[in-house]
Amino acid sequence: DAGITQSPRHKVTETGTPVTLRCHQTENHRYMYWYRQDPGHGLRLIHYSYGVKDTDKGEVSDGYSVSRSKTEDFLLTLESATSSQTSVYFCAISESNLRANEQFFGPGTRLTVL
Amino acid sequence: AQSVTQLGSHVSVSEGALVLLRCNYSSSVPPYLFWYVQYPNQGLQLLLKYTSAATLVKGINGFEAEFKKSETSFHLTKPSAHMSDAAEYFCAFLGGAQKLVFGQGTRLTINP
Repeated sequence: DAGITQSPRHKVTETGTPVTLRCHQTENHRYMYWYRQDPGHGLRLIHYSYGVKDTDKGEVSDGYSVSRSKTEDFLLTLESATSSQTSVYFCAISESNLRANEQFFGPGTRLTVL
Repeated sequence: AQSVTQLGSHVSVSEGALVLLRCNYSSSVPPYLFWYVQYPNQGLQLLLKYTSAATLVKGINGFEAEFKKSETSFHLTKPSAHMSDAAEYFCAFLGGAQKLVFGQGTRLTINP
């Protein structure tokens, strides 16, 4: 298994509070991604990173920010959580930008916003 | 826009029967396509990928998929279903900047 951990694995929070999810990798892969999974939508890309301090928006980036100060850590922040951000969040990593390269996924974080 | 569509959000088959999960893509350029599997309460695991080397792609756990350009399809099959195949399956398309675009997912149920 690829060395990817996500923390916390489960979180319940209230509307309006800030939340930070952490993805940590031990593979030294350059690319990291945050997805959210919702029924009927599959997985949708929130933000991704192509190197330390290099990030870009995905399909559903509104309400989310990210930071990557070290190769191994990619943080996803909800500045002010809303109920629509209740979801399962997955981090993924990829070694290079070769088009056939596989993305490896972490175990997920289940976030509930009340 | 480039996308993938999975036909059927839920498929149910009997143990030992053929598994067929459908995926169609829309792309103006040769696509790179993937099938991922997600077991309950776990992350996604790659089953197989199409990278234009061969149209019939074999993956793990006895699954395979055939790329058909004329039908813009990349259906996933397994000749004989096993109880352990019960999971959710995602077809995905590789867009720009290594960004995966996923289908909606198909939940596979295996009946004993």
